[in-house]
Parts: sequence; structure tokens; C-alpha cells
Amino acid sequence: QVTLKESGTGILQPSQALSLTCSFSGFSLSTTGICVSWIRQPSGKGLEWLADICWDDGKGYNPSLKNRLSISKDTSNNQAFLKITSVDTADTATYYCARGSFFDYWGQGVMVTVSS
Amino acid sequence: DIVMTQGVLPNPVPSGESASITCRSSKSLVYKDGKTYLNWFLQRPGQSPQLLTYWMSTRASGVSDRFSGSGSGTYFTLKISRVRAEDAGVYYCQQVREYPLTFGSGTKLEIK
Repeated sequence: QVTLKESGTGILQPSQALSLTCSFSGFSLSTTGICVSWIRQPSGKGLEWLADICWDDGKGYNPSLKNRLSISKDTSNNQAFLKITSVDTADTATYYCARGSFFDYWGQGVMVTVSS
Repeated sequence: DIVMTQGVLPNPVPSGESASITCRSSKSLVYKDGKTYLNWFLQRPGQSPQLLTYWMSTRASGVSDRFSGSGSGTYFTLKISRVRAEDAGVYYCQQVREYPLTFGSGTKLEIK
């Protein structure tokens, strides 16, 4: 059974760094072809892909967030991580992680609020 | 970036009728392997998105055959036959042909 669950800082102040963890089971990030993506969704709005990391440590980033994103993984513990630096109110959203290029399994999402 | 543009539905759609959701990409989503790298998702209120189809027309595991994806390299349609109340929500297309991966803005389906 494949499951993913996001966790991270719930409330931050502008300029702080956001750290998110995706803990998953039922698959391994050491398996050829497997990737994990991060996606976010502001309340009432659409989906925005942020980044992904794959079995071979290949990484992809959304250039709209410029150099603020950093993705990594801990294969042994079945976790993927996303860090966003210098947050502002526009980063307020629900953050999801999802598996693979098909995005066939998603976590329940974690709400992040940036407020002064 | 590849821009994904979704159409609007004439809501609400009567239960039992069909609904077709359109999506257009600014660049062909056909890769050199011949596959078309387009996903469709349904997001019900308060839930995470759910994969419906991938490679433009392949239904995901457990997805009803009432959902069918079709299209060309840049124009795509998700058809929902005999709509039910449980089909209500926002539908998103997504291209996974190249980075950055991009989603359409979503199409809302309401059922009458």
C-alpha cells in the first residue's frame, strides 16, 4: 500500500525558511524510475508544481521560485524534503507531495501560513 | 514554460449526461517514444487531487471507465460519461513532457 504524508512548519514569519518533509511507504526512492514531487495550492486557487527528486538524485525545480528551493531525500528512511528560503505571504498554501511522473499517489497536504 | 489552458463547462451538468473538459498546451506533449505526456486529475472539495488518466488516455488503476482521455499533441479532452454527484469537483490537466511541469488552471464541474 502506497502512502505519503507531509509535515512541516505550520506558521512562519516573512523572510524565514520553510522546511517540509514527505514521509512515504509502499515504494522506495532507490527504485529505478521513481521520483517524488512537491506541489502547492493556495486556498481556492490552482496547483503549482515546485520541484521533484528522483531515484538517481536527479532534481527539477520550478524556475519561477528562482533559487529559493532546495530538494533532497533520505532513501534509507523513505523521506523527501523541500526547503523554501525567504518566504513571504505569497507562499501561504497547502503543500503536497506526490509520487512519480504520473502523480498517482498524493499526500493529504500540510497547510503553511506566512504572516507577520 | 509550457502553458496549459483549460476550458469552462456550462454548469451545472444534469446527472446522467456527459461532460467534456478541454485542455490545450502551448507545445506538443508528444515525446520521442511516441507517448503523450499529459495527466488528468480530479480534486473533490477538501481532498487531494486524484489521478484519472496518464499518457493522455490510459486510465489510472481503479478509475471508472466513464472517464476517457483523448486528443492530439496539443489539444486534449477528458470525457465523463453519465455524470454522477461524486464526479463534482475541479479537474486539472498537467503536462509532464518537460520541466517545469505545469498544470492548467482547473475546470469546475457541478452536477444538477
